[in-house]
Amino acid sequence: GDSVTQTEGLVTLTKGLPVMLNCTYQTTYSPFLFWYVQHLNEAPKLLLKSSTDNKRTEHQGFYATLHKSSSSFHLQKSSVQLSDSALYFCALSDWSNYNVLYFGSGTKLTVEP
Amino acid sequence: EAAVTQSPRNKVAVTGGKVTLSCNQTNNHNNMYWYRQDTGHGLRLIHYSYGAGSTEKGDIPDGYKASRPSQENFSLILELATPSQTSVYFCASGDDWGGADTGQLYFGEGSKLTVL
Repeated sequence: GDSVTQTEGLVTLTKGLPVMLNCTYQTTYSPFLFWYVQHLNEAPKLLLKSSTDNKRTEHQGFYATLHKSSSSFHLQKSSVQLSDSALYFCALSDWSNYNVLYFGSGTKLTVEP
Repeated sequence: EAAVTQSPRNKVAVTGGKVTLSCNQTNNHNNMYWYRQDTGHGLRLIHYSYGAGSTEKGDIPDGYKASRPSQENFSLILELATPSQTSVYFCASGDDWGGADTGQLYFGEGSKLTVL
């Protein structure tokens, strides 16, 4: 079945530095990838999404590119802010069961002053 | 703004007791979902529904039942609660795929369940 792997459970960075959160996936069908963000004591919210190979998608300063050749959809930002501290989930769906999202284990990003 | 509300927000139950978590959405979405969130496991899908009267099993359905009596309401039922079901439960709704909102789930605020 479908699966999503996020290798970093916890990432701590100083404000102003770049960040990359890793996401790889497995599916036998054409994938649709998502990043969701969850701030402390809040509900998860969609950050960005893509189903187009090798096309960069951006939102709120974050960006990601779906690479089907390497089954990856890493989340990046060039300069993190204190307000970026949150839990980030990568999620996958595919066209065989497209109304269902499968989430990775999440990466907690902490940005320090 | 899409709205998904869950109740109760906090619940303490005893082992072997019955627990019902309720979810209401005003988005008129066909699809609704129940996830549980545990540290190190992310969000795991328990049950989902494509519309009133339908329920489908997700990745971890054992020990849980679901009910979708109407477009707006989706309940998660723990007939015999166990301490391993202590978790935070999120309900979500989502539109059918094909439109601009494809893949966008709207989550409720979560229900924290503690089973003693």
